[in-house]
Amino acid sequence: NAGVTQTPKFRVLKTGQSMTLLCAQDMNHEYMYWYRQDPGMGLRLIHYSVGEGTTAKGEVPDGYNVSRLKKQNFLLGLESAAPSQTSVYFCASSRDPPKNIQYFGAGTRLSVL
Amino acid sequence: GESVGLHLPTLSVQEGDNSIINCAYSNSASDYFIWYKQESGKGPQFIIDIRSNMDKRQGQRVTVLLNKTVKHLSLQIAATQPGDSAVYFCAEKRSGNTGKLIFGQGTTLQVKP
Repeated sequence: NAGVTQTPKFRVLKTGQSMTLLCAQDMNHEYMYWYRQDPGMGLRLIHYSVGEGTTAKGEVPDGYNVSRLKKQNFLLGLESAAPSQTSVYFCASSRDPPKNIQYFGAGTRLSVL
Repeated sequence: GESVGLHLPTLSVQEGDNSIINCAYSNSASDYFIWYKQESGKGPQFIIDIRSNMDKRQGQRVTVLLNKTVKHLSLQIAATQPGDSAVYFCAEKRSGNTGKLIFGQGTTLQVKP
């Protein structure tokens, strides 16, 4: 019973490099989310998806792109990494509203040098 | 602006005592409130939720109280244990179909043996 799985767990990038973070859920959830967590800032929503093939911007979308080609996967891309994107990234998934309890992965710790 | 916030950044309690973690919110349109626990190096874990038309909900060793008059939410943990040491976040879900949650900054609970 994996729940929400994020890969990789850790990554170090140089400024300007690109990478993709993968989120996979096995709960057949419609909704998926990407957050970043910085010290003293709580969790901030980057992008989210309300179903396969859909994406929408969250609170801090600049510098990131996402894709939801399959219901179980939600990819977060950084095209040209910047030091300001050093953070811990969390993926979450949920059933349809109204209740919407989000279940989180273990996170990806990203450092951009 | 609208926000979900916590009254204290750190709460220190003796093992066996009861803990009360507080949260203030500003948006009356939210229909669900959720508490999450985040242990060091892990993703947030769902604890308990409460619908906006309820005042109180109990779980195993936890109780959530909602006071809509003063827009205040609290999490009570009975007989606090060392394993309860973590950061606790409250989150509010705005009415509608996006499922988005607005998270507070978090309160660190430290349990002294």
